[in-house]
Amino acid sequence: GAVVSQHPSRVICKSGTSVKIECRSLDFQATTMFWYRQFPKKSLMLMATSNEGSKATYEQGVEKDKFLINHASLTLSTLTVTSAHPEDSSFYICSVGERGPHQNIQYFGAGTRLSVL
Amino acid sequence: LAKTTQPISMDSYEGQEVNITCSHNNIATNDYITWYQQFPSQGPRFIIQGYKTKVTNEVASLFIPADRKSSTLSLPRVSLSDTAVYYCLVGDQNTGGFKTIFGAGTRLFVKA
Repeated sequence: GAVVSQHPSRVICKSGTSVKIECRSLDFQATTMFWYRQFPKKSLMLMATSNEGSKATYEQGVEKDKFLINHASLTLSTLTVTSAHPEDSSFYICSVGERGPHQNIQYFGAGTRLSVL
Repeated sequence: LAKTTQPISMDSYEGQEVNITCSHNNIATNDYITWYQQFPSQGPRFIIQGYKTKVTNEVASLFIPADRKSSTLSLPRVSLSDTAVYYCLVGDQNTGGFKTIFGAGTRLFVKA
């Protein structure tokens, strides 16, 4: 399956700063990538669908001006958490969708743990 | 996307077979069933996918009855390293696209 690299794995920042998280598809050209966030002991929540060369599609309740997504190439999508606040502290995970013989399969990055002080 | 229901948690011991059942009463004709595994502080990992009857790979087996309203992930002879959260997802490649909605998952604890 697709190999997905996510960077950084962990970031600690001060409140009010912006943080950029990169998601790379190493061996697969991904026209679509996904961004999730996950709080402790909770399931993954889909934030947005990142589309190469076009605007991302955000899930209801996710602020697009807060979480900026750029998918400039078939191998790279970035998520920028702007003016981060402590409530943005979470585990952010990206994924690539690969069409299998029957059903799409998601391949996930290792995740980025964001801690906002 | 069909809604799924799984047990919140399960306990097991090393060497035992573990079966995790997922209910998906509203599964559509074109939907496939996919299971993922997630370790703490890691992204989920694809385990197995199936449409009907039985699917087996090097990691697990997936049993799907004829009515497809449920499915059972079977992990043979679990070890401590199988402690993780297991997610069951149901969707259709054509209409649902790549979009994947995760349910609460099942937390499996494997004890020595």
